[in-house]
Amino acid sequence: QQQVKQSPQSLIVQKGGISIINCAYENTAFDYFPWYQQFPGKGPALLIAIRPDVSEKKEGRFTISFNKSAKQFSLHIMDSQPGDSATYFCAAVWGNTPLVFGKGTRLSVIA
Amino acid sequence: DSGVTQTPKHLITATGQRVTLRCSPRSGDLSVYWYQQSLDQGLQFLIQYYNGEERAKGNILERFSAQQFPDLHSELNLSSLELGDSALYFCASSVEGSGPGYTFGSGTRLTVV
Repeated sequence: QQQVKQSPQSLIVQKGGISIINCAYENTAFDYFPWYQQFPGKGPALLIAIRPDVSEKKEGRFTISFNKSAKQFSLHIMDSQPGDSATYFCAAVWGNTPLVFGKGTRLSVIA
Repeated sequence: DSGVTQTPKHLITATGQRVTLRCSPRSGDLSVYWYQQSLDQGLQFLIQYYNGEERAKGNILERFSAQQFPDLHSELNLSSLELGDSALYFCASSVEGSGPGYTFGSGTRLTVV
């Protein structure tokens, strides 16, 4: 059973465009929703995170939008750059439980 | 450098063999998590240790085992290896036994031939 469903599996965006990755969850106990960025040959690294008491969080070009009633959250990358090309994972956690990850989205930003 | 050290970086072994993957957590972190990453399954949680004690268990096969030593480094033992065990194995660490502050290592790529 996939606790966090992520889409799309892959995404190609023009340089300067907006990249949007979506995730949906089922467990309403989740209370923290991070996004991780992974470059080839590296481990995932925390990019940005949100708690369910806010609907949006922005850090630079990266924004998380959170819809608690729909149990969905998304990552928006504004002005996408070739250096943003990586695999992105959404995740969720509650209490002392380990992070649960989505299956990942491979983003390619082309010039 | 994330501060989490995993060795070896690459491992090629034959079916039926046994291997040990090692992880040194970031200084001060008490909790260690092991994840398996395959192309079609994403990051799957295997097992967590906190200050030497097993804290949580995920989809870890009976052929796999782990432990965390007094110096807080951890080892993941994989035995009776099958072709399907080929994957990237990541270790992550955090200060507490919970929460979002995971720092991942660069992983060990295991290839079973």
